[in-house]
This record gives sequence, structure tokens and C-alpha cells, in this order.
Amino acid sequence: QVQLQESGPGLVKPSETLSLTCVVSGYSISRGYYWGWMRQPPGKGLDWIGSIYHGGTTSYNPSLKSRVTISVDTSKNQISLNLSSVTAADTAVYYCARLGSGSTNFDYWGQGTLVTVSS
Amino acid sequence: QSALTQPASVSGSPGQSITISCTGTSSDVGGYKYVSWYQQHPGKAPKLIIYDVSEWPSGVSNRFSGSKSGNTASLTISGLQAEDEADYYCCSYAGSSTFVFGGGTKVTVL
Repeated sequence: QVQLQESGPGLVKPSETLSLTCVVSGYSISRGYYWGWMRQPPGKGLDWIGSIYHGGTTSYNPSLKSRVTISVDTSKNQISLNLSSVTAADTAVYYCARLGSGSTNFDYWGQGTLVTVSS
Repeated sequence: QSALTQPASVSGSPGQSITISCTGTSSDVGGYKYVSWYQQHPGKAPKLIIYDVSEWPSGVSNRFSGSKSGNTASLTISGLQAEDEADYYCCSYAGSSTFVFGGGTKVTVL
């Protein structure tokens, strides 16, 4: 059973960089599949942030591209998210997920982690 | 890359069928057979219930069904049950390995 677990600081100051990790268990990232990050501001809908393949190929939401970096560490079986120059608008629950069959959908999700941007 | 358009809310009585629409453009919904749907209960992570427009993941009830016509995809829930009360999100592939979600629809079981 594939499981994903996000972790990172729950509070980040404005203008700083938000950094999260997602540890994957039950599946070796090096075997393949794309992996993605999504976020959900409180009371609002889901937004796709970006995706990464085990080899490191990335794709990002155009609206966040200038501030986002997603990376993969196959030795630790984890993916990471960095979002720079954060503002209150970046306050959200952040989810990592696996892109499933055909890389067209997100079939396994972490439970999410709330990140609040505030001084 | 604009969010897909979903109705804010849909309601129905137990046993009834309801349909949620998801409207995009020819660059996303209309351009690919890669629409997926997610169910999200309060405080929980989203759960995949339909992928590739009309395919079921293993273990998902066939009371959920999906379809697409032009730039609009639809999710139908048949035999509505109390446990179906949740938020539902559509998501479409938008080319160049990018994705776009809908704004979400709150389903209420009356």
C-alpha cells in the first residue's frame, strides 16, 4: 500500500521560503511514476502546484513557476517543495500525491499539512 | 490557466441521482480524455473516484460515473447516499504535463 506523509514548518514568515518534504512508503520512487504537489487555501478549492518524475523532470503551474522548485531524493524516497517569497496568500494545506495510471490523475494522496504564513 | 468551472453546490434526496458539471476550454477538458474527479470529506485528503473521464479506480463504487461532451465533463452520482455528502473536484490535464482543477462543488444530501 502506497502511503505519503508530508512534513515541514507549520508557520512561515512573509518573504521567506516555505519548504516541505513528502516521504513515500510502500513504493520506491526510483521505479517510476510522477509525483505532485497541490495546495488548498482554507475554505477554498484545490490548486495544482507542480509535478516531478523520478528522473527529475519537472512541470509547474505557470502562476507559481517563478517561485516554485520541486525536487526528488530517491535515496530517501521523498520529494520536496520549496516556495519562495511567500505571502499570506500562500497559507494553505499542502498535499503531495502520486500521479496514477497514465500520469493523468492523482491516485494516492498524503493527509496534507497546514502551512500558515504570518509574522 | 484558469480554474475549471463547477457549480458551487448541488443537492439531492437519498436515492436520487445528481450531476455535477465541470466546464473548461479546448486547451484542457475539450482537448484531452484526461478528466479526473475527487471526493473530499471535511478535514480529509481528496480521494480519486473517476479518472480518464469515465474509468473507476479499484474499490470505488459504480454509483459514480463520468462523461464528457466538448469542453464540459460531468460526474453523476446515482442512488445518492448520506455518505456521499462531500466536496467534489474535477481536474483536467492541460498539456505540457500541467493540470488544472475546478473550484469544487459541495454536495448536500437532503
